[in-house]
Amino acid sequence: AQSVTQLDSHVSVSEGTPVLLRCNYSSSYSPSLFWYVQHPNKGLQLLLKYTSAATLVKGINGFEAEFKKSETSFHLTKPSAHMSDAAEYFCVVSGSGGGGSYIPTFGRGTSLIVHP
Amino acid sequence: EAGVAQSPRYKIIEKRQSVAFWCNPISGHATLYWYQQILGQGPKLLIQFQNNGVVDDSQLPKDRFSAERLKGVDSTLKIQPAKLEDSAVYLCASSFSGTGGAETQYFGPGTRLLVL
Repeated sequence: AQSVTQLDSHVSVSEGTPVLLRCNYSSSYSPSLFWYVQHPNKGLQLLLKYTSAATLVKGINGFEAEFKKSETSFHLTKPSAHMSDAAEYFCVVSGSGGGGSYIPTFGRGTSLIVHP
Repeated sequence: EAGVAQSPRYKIIEKRQSVAFWCNPISGHATLYWYQQILGQGPKLLIQFQNNGVVDDSQLPKDRFSAERLKGVDSTLKIQPAKLEDSAVYLCASSFSGTGGAETQYFGPGTRLLVL
């Protein structure tokens, strides 16, 4: 069984300040981890993914995430928020469903609000 | 390359009616996913196909929902009969193979269903 917990339903920051969106996961296997972003009235888009090659993963638009196995966390950060970062962010864990396939599980989402 | 196509984009029906959604994945993508996203929640995986075989349908309410993927390409998701709680956005996504853990999913724009 696998699960993902996004610890904050809303995060509010001022433009130019750091962003931290928290994600903890549970998985019986060595999972793959992802962050997706959903802008209003737009489709879900991949931000970054953990492939086990490096624990610090860089994504698009200046976002990065660090995989910490001991803490079962995969928090998303950005040094300086921009107004265009305002969106819904989803953490996803993908573990083996047997037969060589991977089954994804989404978190409930964190809404990032950026104030001018 | 063309993205994931879904139709219709919006649908309003009365409870107990039936409805069908269509998805055309990215060409060459073996894995296709259907998700239900209720307002304010993360996407919930309903069914995952690899080619035309079902990988996981553990969260599909099989008494009213059905899905098929003909010839391993297009897919349809049907609800019959619909309930009020089925009001949601239905998302279709595809990925290249589905066997690699770090598979990126590509999402369609979704179908917004309102059941009255």
